[in-house]
Amino acid sequence: GAGVSQSPSNKVTEKGKDVELRCDPISGHTALYWYRQSLGQGLEFLIYFQGNSAPDKSGLPSDRFSAERTGGSVSTLTIQRTQQEDSAVYLCASSMGQNNEKLFFGSGTQLSVL
Amino acid sequence: QQQVKQSPQSLIVQKGGISIINCAYENTAFDYFPWYQQFPGKGPALLIAIRPDVSEKKEGRFTISFNKSAKQFSLHIMDSQPGDSATYFCAAANAGGTSYGKLTFGQGTILTVHP
Repeated sequence: GAGVSQSPSNKVTEKGKDVELRCDPISGHTALYWYRQSLGQGLEFLIYFQGNSAPDKSGLPSDRFSAERTGGSVSTLTIQRTQQEDSAVYLCASSMGQNNEKLFFGSGTQLSVL
Repeated sequence: QQQVKQSPQSLIVQKGGISIINCAYENTAFDYFPWYQQFPGKGPALLIAIRPDVSEKKEGRFTISFNKSAKQFSLHIMDSQPGDSATYFCAAANAGGTSYGKLTFGQGTILTVHP
């Protein structure tokens, strides 16, 4: 596709349920990033992939959060046993490599935990 | 050490005016300072960026001023237009240590340009 694609665009779930958020980066982009944007807040780094490996997971807030990337392309962010404080917009970005400064962001997944 | 503080939270300017947004950082390892523009319902988009070896960078109506000793940088939008109305985020990264994409963001400034 022409840009970074994220699905679903909106997700409403009940507290305690697991959710999966998907990111399709721009074709050929080897670096992929997940960020979280809470209401009225700046963006918070979660995890970074170079290819299929994640050299930096330092932003994941708890062990309920995990992410994987397969085939150097699609990435999935999984949140287990969701809590209300997990409600936020989850943004994915990709770039041509870790040394490439231009990040392209998707439009995000708005997650609401009731 | 990892914070980037941004001000003001919101800004209203008249069309044709100058919009100025300021950021301050603490971590001296930061070596890459971008500004991102975000419209409602969209992801942020890179606007302009600077490295600490220069004090100013200009691209069209957008200018970054950088003060390394004060650990501050600012975005100036000249001849502000209603289409510039958006949320602006400053950010910083230790690109030499990790990656350009592991960014620490400021809290954002909501800019409104009145026609």
